[in-house]
Amino acid sequence: QKEVEQNSGPLSVPEGAIASLNCTYSDRGSQSFFWYRQYSGKSPELIMSIYSNGDKEDGRFTAQLNKASQYVSLLIRDSQPSDSATYLCALSGGSYIPTFGRGTSLIVHP
Amino acid sequence: DAGVIQSPRHEVTEMGQEVTLRCKPISGHDYLFWYRQTMMRGLELLIYFNNNVPIDDSGMPEDRFSAKMPNASFSTLKIQPSEPRDSAVYFCASSFRTGINTEAFFGQGTRLTVV
Repeated sequence: QKEVEQNSGPLSVPEGAIASLNCTYSDRGSQSFFWYRQYSGKSPELIMSIYSNGDKEDGRFTAQLNKASQYVSLLIRDSQPSDSATYLCALSGGSYIPTFGRGTSLIVHP
Repeated sequence: DAGVIQSPRHEVTEMGQEVTLRCKPISGHDYLFWYRQTMMRGLELLIYFNNNVPIDDSGMPEDRFSAKMPNASFSTLKIQPSEPRDSAVYFCASSFRTGINTEAFFGQGTRLTVV
């Protein structure tokens, strides 16, 4: 059973700051890691995928993966109020089936 | 592509009634997933299909739940009879696996309320 742990939050940051969202997992066989954003009342939206150790940047988003520590994070630079949402960490291993964490609620206040 | 399409968007039904949720995956995707989301349990995998074949239904909570995928472009999740504790948002997602890339894309969900 894959376990994906996230702090439920809420994480509150001021506009323009860096938001740091963290996720730990238990299955060392996990190969693929994802971050989804979910606005209230909407469906999860894929925003980042990462497969190898290190950093992956896409615009204001940076995903960081450390397989040795079983840790994946998402950094959001220059946070905007529109980034306020729940961020879901997900991963998959040999079965290729995404397993999701409970999500971290992010609030970006003006 | 139109993305994953689910219907209905909202469903309110009385306890004991049959409920059928529908999903059209993204064309060309070979995996289809049904998830249920609640505040208490988060996003739970109910069942998934690979190339229209059910692979793992261990997440289906009870025999009242069943799912089918008669072809590559259509799947249903049926609850019969429905109970108030089935109230949740049900998501369908699909993916196309290339190597370890298993990015899943979600439909807009069906919000089910059983009264």
